[in-house]
Amino acid sequence: SAVISQKPSRDICQRGTSLTIQCQVDSQVTMMFWYRQQPGQSLTLIATANQGSEATYESGFVIDKFPISRPNLTFSTLTVSNMSPEDSSIYLCSVDLGRQETQYFGPGTRLLVL
Amino acid sequence: AQSVAQPEDQVNVAEGNPLTVKCTYSVSGNPYLFWYVQYPNRGLQFLLKYITGDNLVKGSYGFEAEFNKSQTSFHLKKPSALVSDSALYFCAVRDRAGGSYIPTFGRGTSLIVHP
Repeated sequence: SAVISQKPSRDICQRGTSLTIQCQVDSQVTMMFWYRQQPGQSLTLIATANQGSEATYESGFVIDKFPISRPNLTFSTLTVSNMSPEDSSIYLCSVDLGRQETQYFGPGTRLLVL
Repeated sequence: AQSVAQPEDQVNVAEGNPLTVKCTYSVSGNPYLFWYVQYPNRGLQFLLKYITGDNLVKGSYGFEAEFNKSQTSFHLKKPSALVSDSALYFCAVRDRAGGSYIPTFGRGTSLIVHP
């Protein structure tokens, strides 16, 4: 299994500002994922972050809006840039331990943009 | 392509009664199937998974799920519901046969257990 922590756990931000969310894993993992969960909705994958390469973004998400860093095998950051109220959501970090293995999730970062 | 459907937005059940949360899936090959639970203000927690073997899979907190290949279903069940089971439940599927290594999640089902 994997234990994942995220910082901050929640934040209230002003429109136009940026927030960087940190994700720390207690073991080395190849693949890390960033999801968004909007109120009352399922998980939407933002991007896949592999160490040593550029993140792969899903349709509808771009690097300028959601830049991701993956400096090593236990850490990643997601920045939500130039925020608007529509970015209010829960942002979840997740790791994959292998093709048939379970994904493990962080506790999430609850973001409210005013 | 892979997809998963949770046909019920909400399931209501009385404490002590059996519960079922439905999930159907579609994959081109054979599936890996998962159930996750999300308690209020928490991240997703793994409940159970089907990889191969027995169609009835037992998981955490007394939950179980039955893989039915002919009906392409993986319904989550518990013989006796607790108020503390009230949460949001997500079904997820991965295609084994060369499909995406990224699971597809259902939209979630809110389980409400009444005292």
